[in-house]
Amino acid sequence: GDQVEQSPSALSLHEGTDSALRCNFTTTMRSVQWFRQNSRGSLISLFYLASGTKENGRLKSAFDSKERRYSTLHIRDAQLEDSGTYFCAAPPNTGYQNFYFGKGTSLTVIP
Amino acid sequence: AQTIHQWPVAEIKAVGSPLSLGCTIKGKSSPNLYWYWQATGGTLQQLFYSITVGQVESVVQLNLSASRPKDDQFILSTEKLLLSHSGFYLCAWSLRGGTEVFFGKGTRLTVV
Repeated sequence: GDQVEQSPSALSLHEGTDSALRCNFTTTMRSVQWFRQNSRGSLISLFYLASGTKENGRLKSAFDSKERRYSTLHIRDAQLEDSGTYFCAAPPNTGYQNFYFGKGTSLTVIP
Repeated sequence: AQTIHQWPVAEIKAVGSPLSLGCTIKGKSSPNLYWYWQATGGTLQQLFYSITVGQVESVVQLNLSASRPKDDQFILSTEKLLLSHSGFYLCAWSLRGGTEVFFGKGTRLTVV
């Protein structure tokens, strides 16, 4: 079954508003990584967290350090250029063959 | 300098024709390498991974094959393309034992 569940699957935001994307894991994960897929399709790494929180401009991500089963990506003061599909990913706990990816959140920022 | 380079950037190919997509990793010794595929508007699907030269494991084949002829090179290929092969192909790498994955810029394939 799916190891990673992302929510919501799609989201529309007005410019200037805030929102949060969520990533839930079915089991304890060692770390989480957040990506944004741009219009060309390239995956841009936004954050990598083994614990705690990280912030970069209007984006902030957190990884639950206790249970290690969920992560959030907060978008503050959304801008048009934030539109895209956001993916979270986690490495396997045993072996290194397969990173688990969520199905993505499609974000549209509306003027 | 770019660590991971994918080629070509885009391809338009006829059904039944052969395909070869490439990926080169620079400056990293013995990385784990991955091929992913994404249908238009779809989710990421891992196709293959490799932890060492000459060794490739299939996750989902989709009538494709992969090879790792050198430590820094990963090739995705098929002798006969299908319409269903259209999509976006991404090569990625991670350090041996690493928990962070890094992607190339991808190849857009259109099969007509």
